[in-house]
Amino acid sequence: GAVVSQHPSWVICKSGTSVKIECRSLDFQATTMFWYRQFPKQSLMLMATSNEGSKATYEQGVEKDKFLINHASLTLSTLTVTSAHPEDSSFYICSASPGRDSPLHFGNGTRLTVT
Amino acid sequence: AQSVTQLDSQVPVFEEAPVELRCNYSSSVSVYLFWYVQYPNQGLQLLLKYLSGSTLVKGINGFEAEFNKSQTSFHLRKPSVHISDTAEYFCAVSDEPAAGNKLTFGGGTRVLVKP
Repeated sequence: GAVVSQHPSWVICKSGTSVKIECRSLDFQATTMFWYRQFPKQSLMLMATSNEGSKATYEQGVEKDKFLINHASLTLSTLTVTSAHPEDSSFYICSASPGRDSPLHFGNGTRLTVT
Repeated sequence: AQSVTQLDSQVPVFEEAPVELRCNYSSSVSVYLFWYVQYPNQGLQLLLKYLSGSTLVKGINGFEAEFNKSQTSFHLRKPSVHISDTAEYFCAVSDEPAAGNKLTFGGGTRVLVKP
């Protein structure tokens, strides 16, 4: 079945540094990928829609300059948290679908801790 | 605008007992409903979905859900739970039938199956 791989699964970084998270569709092409953020014991909040070859569409309240999204190929989208702060610590999850009539597949998430 | 409410944040249940997780939604357009399960430190896995047709939907792992348009509900049920069903469950809604689109998630229900 369709698999979405996310890397790294966890990362610890110092405040002020940048962190890049990768989301890959391993056996299908995805023109659209979604990035979610999940705080402890809370639901997933959609951050942005990543579109291959074009700019990402950000949800209201999400800082574009802080959460940089690049969808350079049909199998890879990256989320870069720039100048990370402790409040950016969270669980980030990506998802992708082989097509509009196919279900979403989720990555296993990346736990980011900013110290 | 769409919203999803999961009325129970936690549901403790004994092994082999039945469980019902409640989900209510609001939407001004046609809705398509989904239930996902999340195991610790993992992404989400689709349990089942309602797109159209029969209001009783059967999913994986013995789960089923019933779409009730008049009550705007999509409650999830399992007649007999196992320890392995301990997880977080999310109800989600989309205004497009293909799950490969943006989802709005409920707050989640944590199920703890006790021996």
